[in-house]
Amino acid sequence: KAGVTQTPRYLIKTRGQQVTLSCSPISGHRSVSWYQQTPGQGLQFLFEYFSETQRNKGNFPGRFSGRQFSNSRSEMNVSTLELGDSALYLCASSSGMDTQYFGPGTRLTVL
Amino acid sequence: EDKVVQSPLSLVVHEGDTVTLNCSYEVTNFRSLLWYKQEKKAPTFLFMLTSSGIEKKSGRLSSILDKKELFSILNITATQTGDSAIYLCAVYNTGTASKLTFGTGTRLQVTL
Repeated sequence: KAGVTQTPRYLIKTRGQQVTLSCSPISGHRSVSWYQQTPGQGLQFLFEYFSETQRNKGNFPGRFSGRQFSNSRSEMNVSTLELGDSALYLCASSSGMDTQYFGPGTRLTVL
Repeated sequence: EDKVVQSPLSLVVHEGDTVTLNCSYEVTNFRSLLWYKQEKKAPTFLFMLTSSGIEKKSGRLSSILDKKELFSILNITATQTGDSAIYLCAVYNTGTASKLTFGTGTRLQVTL
């Protein structure tokens, strides 16, 4: 089975812009979770989608949003980018059991 | 708020050494604990533990959970340079708002 894929792998944006990241889960997995990883804060949970519904949300401002499509692919959007949004954004898929399998991540740099 | 604490933060050992990484947690309605290894980008899954006292083993790696004392350890024997990575511990809670809470990781460097 193909693993979790994320696009793009690298992204450079300027403050105030918005960005959309994409994640394709492992075939058959219906749950997709998003995480932000920074050197200071580690891996922090953003949100989880299951069958096109947001099932849980972390403590991030409303500028961070997401959605999931009927084929389980998910997108994450960050509006009005700030310098502090520079991070590695990881997506993980799960069949609904606990083990989450991670994609390679998107490295976002905000200038 | 759920909390996962890993120690040490970083560790440098010589090839062949045995290392023990620690993970303690405070989670409302614990369901499971997971260990991941992160080298370049994507964390890769190592173990999932749900029951106390039952050791999970894979080659030179093993892990055990103590639900009474709220901690887990990850052991790596006969370390190799390829074991150099960040090791992440994460805990799942139960309920409709279940989620994985990660520790900040232990950075392990294995030298020749």
